[in-house]
Amino acid sequence: AQSVTQLDSQVPVFEEAPVELRCNYSSSVSVYLFWYVQYPNQGLQLLLKYLSGSTLVKGINGFEAEFNKSQTSFHLRKPSVHISDTAEYFCAVSDKYGDQGGKLIFGQGTELSVKP
Amino acid sequence: ETGVTQTPRHLVMGMTNKKSLKCEQHLGHNAMYWYKQSAKKPLELMFVYNFKEQTENNSVPSRFSPECPNSSHLFLHLHTLQPEDSALYLCASSQARGADLNYGYTFGSGTRLTVV
Repeated sequence: AQSVTQLDSQVPVFEEAPVELRCNYSSSVSVYLFWYVQYPNQGLQLLLKYLSGSTLVKGINGFEAEFNKSQTSFHLRKPSVHISDTAEYFCAVSDKYGDQGGKLIFGQGTELSVKP
Repeated sequence: ETGVTQTPRHLVMGMTNKKSLKCEQHLGHNAMYWYKQSAKKPLELMFVYNFKEQTENNSVPSRFSPECPNSSHLFLHLHTLQPEDSALYLCASSQARGADLNYGYTFGSGTRLTVV
């Protein structure tokens, strides 16, 4: 069965510092991987996704993530954060094929708090 | 706008009231979802509809009643709710279950529900 673990529930960081939000998943088949961002009182917005090909994926707002199949990880990074990046971030996984295809499993979320 | 519209954005209701939440998408998706997001808790999948048919009900109390009249519209009918039902209710849509989920889910902005 699929599962997603976001290793940090809260990540405080100072403005202009780098940040990494960690995500590990488990699945027995090929997967798609996603990161979503949720600003206060908003829905979830897609940041980036990994489907196939290059393991380094670039998304919106300067974020990027690297797919590591051997470590079953998909960590999200940004070299220099802004106050406006304060939000909750969700990692998600979906099987590519089979009867679980199209089912998105979310992690518990990581709250990123950027301080001046 | 994401292409998934939820109304109302905010709702305050008494425990004896009956109200409905509405979700609408015109993205050509055939799967629609209701999620509950309570403070400091993970996203909870409530219901899934695939081609207008309910395919998942994750042990949701009967005071929540979903309706999917067509692939573009999804409702959540509420009656005799409890204060612990106060939460952000999110609607999402995607390509049909079993299809290639290479675009992930598209979320609405949510309805902030307060039960008094």
